[in-house]
Amino acid sequence: TQLLEQSPQFLSIQEGENLTVYCNSSSVFSSLQWYRQEPGEGPVLLVTVVTGGEVKKLKRLTFQFGDARKDSSLHITAAQPGDTGLYLCAGGSGGGADGLTFGKGTHLIIQP
Amino acid sequence: NAGVTQTPKFRVLKTGQSMTLLCAQDMNHEYMYWYRQDPGMGLRLIHYSVGEGTTAKGEVPDGYNVSRLKKQNFLLGLESAAPSQTSVYFCASSSYRGMDTEAFFGQGTRLTVV
Repeated sequence: TQLLEQSPQFLSIQEGENLTVYCNSSSVFSSLQWYRQEPGEGPVLLVTVVTGGEVKKLKRLTFQFGDARKDSSLHITAAQPGDTGLYLCAGGSGGGADGLTFGKGTHLIIQP
Repeated sequence: NAGVTQTPKFRVLKTGQSMTLLCAQDMNHEYMYWYRQDPGMGLRLIHYSVGEGTTAKGEVPDGYNVSRLKKQNFLLGLESAAPSQTSVYFCASSSYRGMDTEAFFGQGTRLTVV
C-alpha cells in the first residue's frame, strides 16, 4: 500500500506570511496532484506534477515534485484569508484507473 | 454545467438499515470512484469502476457494494448500515489522459448511522 504523509496537519498563520506544506512517501508515484477542499465541498484540483524536479506556479502558489518522484511541496507566498482550506496531496500510479492515494491533508487557516 | 452530482446530500440511518447513494456525471468520463472521508484519515477509496458494467474493490470495500449499469451513473450501496460507516462520502470521475488525469468530485454525502 502506497502512503502519503502530509505535514503539518494544522497550520494557522497571519495574512502576509509565507508557508510550505510537505507531502512525503517512501513510494514512487507517476504523478502528484494537489487539491484544495473547502467546507461542505468536494476537493478541487490545483495542479498536477509528473516529472521529477518539476516546478509549477499558480499565482502565489508554487508546487514542486521531488527529483525521485517520492515527495512534493506546496509553498504559498504572502498568504491571504482566501487561501484558507484543506490542502490534499494525491499520488497517481499511472493512468488514473485505480484511483488516487490521498494524504490526510493540511488544514490551513490564514488570519486577517 | 453540473459535473458530478451526488444524491442525497445528507442522510441519517439506523443501524441495520440499507440505502443507496447515487452519483451521476455528465462529462462522459470512463472512470468513477467512491471515497469516504473521515477526520484524521483523509480520503480512502471504497470501490471504483473503469467502465460501464465493471467495478473493482479499493482500499476499504467491506460493507459496501457498487454497480455501474450506465456509464454516467455509479451507485454505492450499504446493505446493513453500521455506526462505523458514519462518514462523508465523495464520488469522483475522471477520463484517461495519461499521467495528468484530473479527478472531479461531487459535493459529498454526509451519512450518519445511529
